[in-house]
Amino acid sequence: DGGITQSPKYLFRKEGQNVTLSCEQNLNHDAMYWYRQDPGQGLRLIYYSQIVNDFQKGDIAEGYSVSREKKESFPLTVTSAQKNPTAFYLCASSIWKLRGDQPQHFGDGTRLSIL
Amino acid sequence: AQKVTQAQTEISVVEKEDVTLDCVYETRDTTYYLFWYKQPPSGELVFLIRRNSFDEQNEISGRYSWNFQKSTSSFNFTITASQVVDSAVYFCALSDGNNDMRFGAGTRLTVKP
Repeated sequence: DGGITQSPKYLFRKEGQNVTLSCEQNLNHDAMYWYRQDPGQGLRLIYYSQIVNDFQKGDIAEGYSVSREKKESFPLTVTSAQKNPTAFYLCASSIWKLRGDQPQHFGDGTRLSIL
Repeated sequence: AQKVTQAQTEISVVEKEDVTLDCVYETRDTTYYLFWYKQPPSGELVFLIRRNSFDEQNEISGRYSWNFQKSTSSFNFTITASQVVDSAVYFCALSDGNNDMRFGAGTRLTVKP
């Protein structure tokens, strides 16, 4: 089955530690996205990537980093600079079209908490 | 700047009731796309429908229907004869010609048996 796989489902971070969230897709989508979901705030875009080896900052990129070395993979690192990392993180992918009419397909999410 | 407002934070209904989830949007673009997603307790967002700004035809899919009105910048979602399995958080989203997708804060729907 085609889809998006996020791992782990739950992650705990110690103070000063960097942690990496995995996102893999087998939908052959060009574009991939990372969102952060906090209660009552909807989804906020952290980073997105249209093609391999290229990515762009979203609205809340500070304290996060990404890489896109393969089309299928878009890992997100939550660095120690992110002072409030506790949230639900969602990865998504889509066909990339300039007109922005493509729906995004989402993974099951990773819930990150501070120890 | 784009904005999506879902004023209803939480709605609770009894099974078989009809329920409408409101979505109001703001954009300066003439070409844009509106979406609804469902987020069940498992966490992933499931795509329900897309509507472009040039197509104001309402759509019905089984118990789901959508009412798009450009005059009021609204794209409301109605569930007829609600069921317990409809319990979820529902998000309305807006995407403009720059591929910038904005989500509303979501409406949590609880359907009680």
